[in-house]
Amino acid sequence: GAGVSQSPSNKVTEKGKDVELRCDPISGHTALYWYRQSLGQGLEFLIYFQGNSAPDKSGLPSDRFSAERTGGSVSTLTIQRTQQEDSAVYLCASSTRGMKGSPLHFGNGTRLTVT
Amino acid sequence: DQQVKQNSPSLSVQEGRISILNCDYTNSMFDYFLWYKKYPAEGPTFLISISSIKDKNEDGRFTVFLNKSAKHLSLHIVPSQPGDSAVYFCAAMTRGANNLFFGTGTRLTVIP
Repeated sequence: GAGVSQSPSNKVTEKGKDVELRCDPISGHTALYWYRQSLGQGLEFLIYFQGNSAPDKSGLPSDRFSAERTGGSVSTLTIQRTQQEDSAVYLCASSTRGMKGSPLHFGNGTRLTVT
Repeated sequence: DQQVKQNSPSLSVQEGRISILNCDYTNSMFDYFLWYKKYPAEGPTFLISISSIKDKNEDGRFTVFLNKSAKHLSLHIVPSQPGDSAVYFCAAMTRGANNLFFGTGTRLTVIP
């Protein structure tokens, strides 16, 4: 079946512009996560959605970052007024329930470059 | 603050030999540990996990060992195959948490 789909796969933007990154989770997966991987770093947790519960936004690095999940399915991560330090690979993952219940299934990521 | 550490950025092993990837953690509250494998331009894929109530979990060629007193875990791959060449990430979490803490990864190269 289809895996987690992310678009675009690559995005180059100018400093100060806003960007939107999209994630289509695996159908039926209620949990959705956003992570990012900066050069030479491990994966950094950003935000977590589970069903209709309020999202866990504890990993968002600043108020320029926001995410929403519409209809319990597709999610969009928005970065406003992008900065060069936002350059990273942004990974989306989904699972059937909490992490211990099933492992995360990751998409291929969006490579964001801020010039 | 890196709570999960993979101190070896790279490892090269001859095909057929054992690959040992190491991971250390600092948070004694972690009670579940996972290994993910990542090929270039792809997302990480789940490989194997272990609960803190165990010290070993085996799945085919892959075995994960957990030493809680040392806050150390390792992934053994035997025999290593060229297709195992990838970046391996160690990850850890606490009960009830929504967040997986990842290490920085170890790039494994299996030489034919």
